[in-house]
Amino acid sequence: AQRVTQPEKLLSVFKGAPVELKCNYSYSGSPELFWYVQYSRQRLQLLLRHISRESIKGFTADLNKGETSFHLKKPFAQEEDSAMYYCALSRSYGQNFVFGPGTRLSVLP
Amino acid sequence: GAGVSQSPRYKVAKRGQDVALRCDPISGHVSLFWYQQALGQGPEFLTYFQNEAQLDKSGLPSDRFFAERPEGSVSTLKIQRTQQEDSAVYLCASSLSRGSGNTIYFGEGSWLTVV
Repeated sequence: AQRVTQPEKLLSVFKGAPVELKCNYSYSGSPELFWYVQYSRQRLQLLLRHISRESIKGFTADLNKGETSFHLKKPFAQEEDSAMYYCALSRSYGQNFVFGPGTRLSVLP
Repeated sequence: GAGVSQSPRYKVAKRGQDVALRCDPISGHVSLFWYQQALGQGPEFLTYFQNEAQLDKSGLPSDRFFAERPEGSVSTLKIQRTQQEDSAVYLCASSLSRGSGNTIYFGEGSWLTVV
């Protein structure tokens, strides 16, 4: 069965500190992993996807198939990064995502 | 359009009442998805349309839930005889076509509270 876990419900860091949001998954096929973000009073939006290997707003994420992880990292957190972050897995045939429960990131001044 | 539009934004229903939630996808988007997000949880897949065809409804929790997209654009999610456990945010999303290379765009959601 497909499953995405995000062990931290809330993560608080100070501005300028590094941040890592953890994501682990279980999937029998070849997964595609994504990070979605929801800022306060805004809709859910794509942050990045592993297949494009891009860096968005300073965030990066590397797919580690051995550890079945897709942790989101940023070297220097900014206050505007405060938001809800969801890790998601797409089954290989399409876009029916399985979402994790989410981690609320709070960046303190 | 400017984005995926959902209505109503907020709905309070008495237990046992039927509700209908509407989704206007981005113009030209072939794929349309419905998700249910309970408080403190991530979104959970309900159903998927490609044009007017409902290709996957494996996530619908019971036969009280019904979705349609008769003309391949606007979609309606109907919940019959609502129960308290149906209280959640219902998210609609659309994408240009199916396939992981296409970004899906979410609406703001319809917040349903069953009392």
